[in-house]
Amino acid sequence: RKEVEQDPGPFNVPEGATVAFNCTYSNSASQSFFWYRQDCRKEPKLLMSVYSSGNEDGRFTAQLNRASQYISLLIRDSKLSDSATYLCVVKGDNYGQNFVFGPGTRLSVLP
Amino acid sequence: GAGVSQSPRYKVTKRGQDVALRCDPISGHVSLYWYRQALGQGPEFLTYFNYEAQQDKSGLPNDRFSAERPEGSISTLTIQRTEQRDSAMYRCASSFSGTGGGGDTEAFFGQGTRLTVV
Repeated sequence: RKEVEQDPGPFNVPEGATVAFNCTYSNSASQSFFWYRQDCRKEPKLLMSVYSSGNEDGRFTAQLNRASQYISLLIRDSKLSDSATYLCVVKGDNYGQNFVFGPGTRLSVLP
Repeated sequence: GAGVSQSPRYKVTKRGQDVALRCDPISGHVSLYWYRQALGQGPEFLTYFNYEAQQDKSGLPNDRFSAERPEGSISTLTIQRTEQRDSAMYRCASSFSGTGGGGDTEAFFGQGTRLTVV
């Protein structure tokens, strides 16, 4: 079983739609969680960190369920510019452990 | 520059040759990571350093791959006797890992080195 699993998609949604991505992780000791965004042929960039109580950044909402080892990302009012691959990332429980990336979920927002 | 810098951006090499990929992290960043990314996949962990110490090299595919960070700043990933299956995008990232356990400081990526073995 892979450490971080995501539905690869693609998710094709119309502009203005709400879309949700899910991610599961296998290491119950993981302490830090993130969503990264990667545009075609570019490097991954942080979209948002994910906190235990859940957090929101504009149209983006992230949730963490430690008991189920599950992370989600909700995008409201999708824009064409949201089209990208969304990578779920977990980080270990000790100082300086590596970031483990999921395979990514592709999103295409259609006009 | 302010970001993570990788060189070369593109490298074409003949099978059997050795290659060295360089990463210059953000100044002051303690941790440096190497990843390999195939098209349509997420970054696959290779190895990482805290300062000059290699903390985990479990992701290196075989003993043709090695990495060093001798002064705790610039790092080099070396691939000996390259094979066609080594062709990929190699990405470096750095993060400022604070003291104590955990911490949610993000990893910043460079633009990567596209390696093609012919």
